[in-house]
Amino acid sequence: GQNIDQPTEMTATEGAIVQINCTYQTSGFNGLFWYQQHAGEAPTFLSYNVLDGLEEKGRFSSFLSRSKGYSYLLLKELQMKDSASYLCAVRVIELSFGAGTTVTVRA
Amino acid sequence: DAGITQSPRHKVTETGTPVTLRCHQTENHRYMYWYRQDPGHGLRLIHYSYGVKDTDKGEVSDGYSVSRSKTEDFLLTLESATSSQTSVYFCAISEAGTSGDYEQYFGPGTRLTVT
Repeated sequence: GQNIDQPTEMTATEGAIVQINCTYQTSGFNGLFWYQQHAGEAPTFLSYNVLDGLEEKGRFSSFLSRSKGYSYLLLKELQMKDSASYLCAVRVIELSFGAGTTVTVRA
Repeated sequence: DAGITQSPRHKVTETGTPVTLRCHQTENHRYMYWYRQDPGHGLRLIHYSYGVKDTDKGEVSDGYSVSRSKTEDFLLTLESATSSQTSVYFCAISEAGTSGDYEQYFGPGTRLTVT
């Protein structure tokens, strides 16, 4: 099976920056996705990386290093509404998901 | 938002009974997926479909079957529900499967409890 690891929980202060790391060991690689999931809701797409480097989308950025099997999601200028779970997923043939990182933003 | 609905949204059933969950899309996307989500495990793929009557198994397919007789509907059946199948089930759709940045869009989920 695929092995995708991310921290279980993180806490940060409103207005701060948080970095969520994801490491993976998979039998292949066809891209890495980040999803956001608020409690009791469906996951929603945040970002996609297939080449090494940084992809920036507003307050959110995602980085990929294929040689290291490593990605991170960077959340800047944290807002209370960013409190959610963040799911790292690797596409081999289909998507394999990590267990998710629950981010709590405190005032 | 992608047009995906799931029914029922909540269900409680007894061990040993058959259960069918329905996923309906209005986007005409080719690929449809069924996942289950459990604490500590994240989302795990049960089955997926790459066209009408074309389906394949995912990581945790034992005890589940699927059918897709129309582009818009993907059914997940638990032939004889067990307590280990208590979970939240998500349906997802995408334009394409194995290439490109085609993200998956998720339905609202079905919370199933097997007593």
